[in-house]
Amino acid sequence: EAGVAQSPRYKIIEKRQSVAFWCNPISGHATLYWYQQILGQGPKLLIQFQNNGVVDDSQLPKDRFSAERLKGVDSTLKIQPAKLEDSAVYLCASSPYSGGVLYEQYFGPGTRLTVT
Amino acid sequence: TQLLEQSPQFLSIQEGENLTVYCNSSSVFSSLQWYRQEPGEGPVLLVTVVTGGEVKKLKRLTFQFGDARKDSSLHITAAQPGDTGLYLCALYSSNTGKLIFGQGTTLQVKP
Repeated sequence: EAGVAQSPRYKIIEKRQSVAFWCNPISGHATLYWYQQILGQGPKLLIQFQNNGVVDDSQLPKDRFSAERLKGVDSTLKIQPAKLEDSAVYLCASSPYSGGVLYEQYFGPGTRLTVT
Repeated sequence: TQLLEQSPQFLSIQEGENLTVYCNSSSVFSSLQWYRQEPGEGPVLLVTVVTGGEVKKLKRLTFQFGDARKDSSLHITAAQPGDTGLYLCALYSSNTGKLIFGQGTTLQVKP
């Protein structure tokens, strides 16, 4: 079974530029998550989708970050404009979760973003 | 907001030594998961604990869930260089499907 795919793996941009990350979850997984992981810290949830609807985006800095999940499958996360403090690894995860049951989240390898 | 504290934040040991990593919360866990993350990869689930006092073993790794369900520990026996990585505990809510991670313990095992 193919895992969660993310691209690109690495990205270097200057502050105030825009960047987009792409995620392809495991086939059939209803729930998709985007996390931000700053060096030396645990991942922090940015947004959670269930199918193509947003369940939780309370930690997403909406003035600069946006995300969508097309047709309940692939997802993109965009930052515009980027700040120095956005330098981090952006992880995508997917899960069969659809409510009320404990499921495992499967993580992609992440995209390492450096903002200079 | 329920927070998780992990200790120590960094651990560097020699191959063959034993170690314990701790995860604590100010409130009761419903269920707790432990993940390992290797450099350049995403976290991978090691174990889920849901019952107070529960002990689970995974080869040389032993996971304990405190009786009061406010703390958990991970013990590694005879550590090997392949155990090197970031160990993360996370609260899991089956109501929301959300994970809240601790800040992690970075383990380095030297040959």
